[in-house]
Amino acid sequence: ETGVTQSPTHLIKTRGQQVTLRCSSQSGHNTVSWYQQALGQGPQFIFQYYREEENGRGNFPPRFSGLQFPNYSSELNVNALELDDSALYLCASSSGGAQYFGPGTRLLVL
Amino acid sequence: KQEVTQIPAALSVPEGENLVLNCSFTDSAIYNLQWFRQDPGKGLTSLLLIQSSQREQTSGRLNASLDKSSGRSTLYIAASQPGDSATYLCAVMVPDFGNEKLTFGTGTRLTIIP
Repeated sequence: ETGVTQSPTHLIKTRGQQVTLRCSSQSGHNTVSWYQQALGQGPQFIFQYYREEENGRGNFPPRFSGLQFPNYSSELNVNALELDDSALYLCASSSGGAQYFGPGTRLLVL
Repeated sequence: KQEVTQIPAALSVPEGENLVLNCSFTDSAIYNLQWFRQDPGKGLTSLLLIQSSQREQTSGRLNASLDKSSGRSTLYIAASQPGDSATYLCAVMVPDFGNEKLTFGTGTRLTIIP
């Protein structure tokens, strides 16, 4: 059974640019959630996808969007990057129980 | 709105000691509570999951308890080791229109002194 993987591990962008982060779910899991973790803080819920449909959203603007594919892998897209978007982005997969997290993507916006 | 608090924010103890980390939450209507470990700059490792109907879970040297009525959970670590040094996060899953959203505390940064 493979774990949750994310790519890339690190990314540097400039303000105004767009970024796409990727996540591969743990085998057998049909739900993927994305979280943003600022330095020294707990992760904050961005949104969740269940069977390719958005299934809940946290307090994040529409420039944060996502996709889930038939194989349950997922993308997080962020448009018009702002300095405050610098954070560790975590995805988690689940199937009605515990959530299992990937190693994260560290995004730095300059 | 669910809020999760972890006190203390940081804790240092000598190797070999037993210790307790605390987590409190404001809304007792939770599905489950999960404890995670996070090493610096890394992702989260799930340690224990307690369903809302359970009172405790154990894995090796770790024991987590849940008291829904008082909105509290504790993570007990026995015979601490330097490798236990990390940030420990608790998170609760709340009913939110059918989604499985986790609400996290800000964590306790644990240092085990050799």
